Amino acid sequence: QVQLMQSGPEVKKPGASVKVSCKASGYTFTSYGISWVRQAPGQGLEWMGWISAYNGNTNYAQKFQGRVTMTTDTSTTTAYMELRSLRSDDTAVYYCARDRSRSASPDYFDNWGQGTVVTVSS
Amino acid sequence: DIQMTQFPSTLSASVGDRVTITCRASQTISSWLAWYQQKPGKAPNLLIYKASSVESGVPSRFSGSGSGTEFTLTISSLQPDDFATYYCQQYNSYSTFGQGTKVEIK
Repeated sequence: QVQLMQSGPEVKKPGASVKVSCKASGYTFTSYGISWVRQAPGQGLEWMGWISAYNGNTNYAQKFQGRVTMTTDTSTTTAYMELRSLRSDDTAVYYCARDRSRSASPDYFDNWGQGTVVTVSS
Repeated sequence: DIQMTQFPSTLSASVGDRVTITCRASQTISSWLAWYQQKPGKAPNLLIYKASSVESGVPSRFSGSGSGTEFTLTISSLQPDDFATYYCQQYNSYSTFGQGTKVEIK
């Protein structure tokens, strides 16, 4: 079965960076994309960006342009999301999700990771 | 950016009720819309894609309709397991979520 297993919780200071991993299994990794979505405490879902596991193409939400980098390692079927210059309002649960789009812009998300709590606090 | 507006933001209903949630896009998105259900402390779960296609394994009481800028998610007969928050998502141009609709017990 499809599984997306994310790395554990992180506590960071303002100005630092965080890198969250998402290990995929149970499907052909390069046939899909990965989108990253975050959810601040008590708030709704916010799409951050998408990466094609097929060719490495990325689309980032304008809000995160210049501050986020998404990558994949096809040899380990793992996706990564790095967010830099962290602020307190980056405190959220960060989800990876399997995106049905292989090589173009993002699509819909049919499987999700369990979420990674990132806390930004001085 | 395409903005997605969901309403109502909260809905109180009873088991057995027919429930409708609306999602409006700030510009046309054709049928590139999905619906998700999220329970507290859990990741979202895909219900509907391409506005009206029901994801495999999703109960038949869930249905979606609409195109262009106006979309609806309908639960034909609300069950105890359906009390949750629902989100729409457009994927016509990049991706955006609506702000969510919480379905509460009346």
